[in-house]
Amino acid sequence: DSGVTQTPKHLITATGQRVTLRCSPRSGDLSVYWYQQSLDQGLQFLIQYYNGEERAKGNILERFSAQQFPDLHSELNLSSLELGDSALYFCASSLMDQETQYFGPGTRLLVL
Amino acid sequence: GDSVTQMEGPVTLSEEAFLTINCTYTATGYPSLFWYVQYPGEGLQLLLKATKADDKGSNKGFEATYRKETTSFHLEKGSVQVSDSAVYFCALSAYSGGYQKVTFGTGTKLQVIP
Repeated sequence: DSGVTQTPKHLITATGQRVTLRCSPRSGDLSVYWYQQSLDQGLQFLIQYYNGEERAKGNILERFSAQQFPDLHSELNLSSLELGDSALYFCASSLMDQETQYFGPGTRLLVL
Repeated sequence: GDSVTQMEGPVTLSEEAFLTINCTYTATGYPSLFWYVQYPGEGLQLLLKATKADDKGSNKGFEATYRKETTSFHLEKGSVQVSDSAVYFCALSAYSGGYQKVTFGTGTKLQVIP
């Protein structure tokens, strides 16, 4: 158990809809990272937050957005969903900008 | 920019065989290097790391040595078990633009058969 929690575990929705994925980092970790893992594209870094502020952006689509709240939990919002957004979404956390990341169990999103 | 290249999978081995998964990297400065493992249905977890040249990371019988001269961090295990079946990710971490940036390889799937 990494100490990182993600909800929900599974999500099934329809094209065009909007969903919110939630992540609680390990106690004391200030950085939160979001990744998308799909069969054809591997593990793609989406975005990082550090203590409430956006720190780094990766291959995140404009339809996607994220935020980190004062209690340090984070949410990833996915809107205007397309079939190709079906994937595993992982959250990871680290202490400040320390290098080792601790991953949550992931949210499996299926867009029908 | 920084990049990590791993050998293509899947790699299929018999139990007790020797394992090597190749990883090479491109980075400016002095990155730290990692191997993460993802077991079926789970998130990634850190397997081992090395923070400077010639360091050897080791854990659960796996080893990898940070080779600056060849920019490599190959993962090895002397005798694999069925329970080692998983996807292995090589990664590097380096400061870029004022923050610590982690770059992952594409992952190598290992299947160990009894």
